[in-house]
Amino acid sequence: DAGVTQSPTHLIKTRGQQVTLRCSPKSGHDTVSWYQQALGQGPQFIFQYYEEEERQRGNFPDRFSGHQFPNYSSELNVNALLLGDSALYLCASSFRTNQPQHFGDGTRLSIL
Amino acid sequence: GQQLNQSPQSMFIQEGEDVSMNCTSSSIFNTWLWYKQDPGEGPVLLIALYKAGELTSNGRLTAQFGITRKDSFLNISASIPSDVGIYFCAGLRDGSGNTGKLIFGQGTTLQVKP
Repeated sequence: DAGVTQSPTHLIKTRGQQVTLRCSPKSGHDTVSWYQQALGQGPQFIFQYYEEEERQRGNFPDRFSGHQFPNYSSELNVNALLLGDSALYLCASSFRTNQPQHFGDGTRLSIL
Repeated sequence: GQQLNQSPQSMFIQEGEDVSMNCTSSSIFNTWLWYKQDPGEGPVLLIALYKAGELTSNGRLTAQFGITRKDSFLNISASIPSDVGIYFCAGLRDGSGNTGKLIFGQGTTLQVKP
């Protein structure tokens, strides 16, 4: 039974570029949430997708956008990358929106 | 962004000792979760708590949902070297407009000396 899988594992980009991160939820889960984790900090909620719609959003600018597909997988897109966007991006899945979330191992994004 | 207050920030203990850490908030949560994160990996769910006063165990780990619903506690008994890592508490609110957003503490870094 596969858990939450994320790709790529690592990514290096330069300022101003755009990036797309991908996530496949745990089997049986229909909800995907995205978090940003800076070094030495707890994860910060970006947004949550359920039934292919953004259901809730954290305090992140519109440069951060997402999508959920009919098979429940999800993408996180970040435009106009800034140095401060360097972080570990975590995807979490759950069954419905208010159940415990299970995390993938994340994508380490470095901005040069 | 909003975070829970987690303490202690770090602990360095001897193998075999018991560990206690806690998490407090100014807001009420309906679900408390405890995660462990190892270097280069994502957080792994250890324990989920759903009711005020609830006490739940998972092996050597025991967690409690505070009566006020504003705090939670995690205890690890007889620590072993593989307990090393960062422990995060997280709160989840139910109800309209606030479902699904996990609020995390800053983490407690645990180091165990063999």
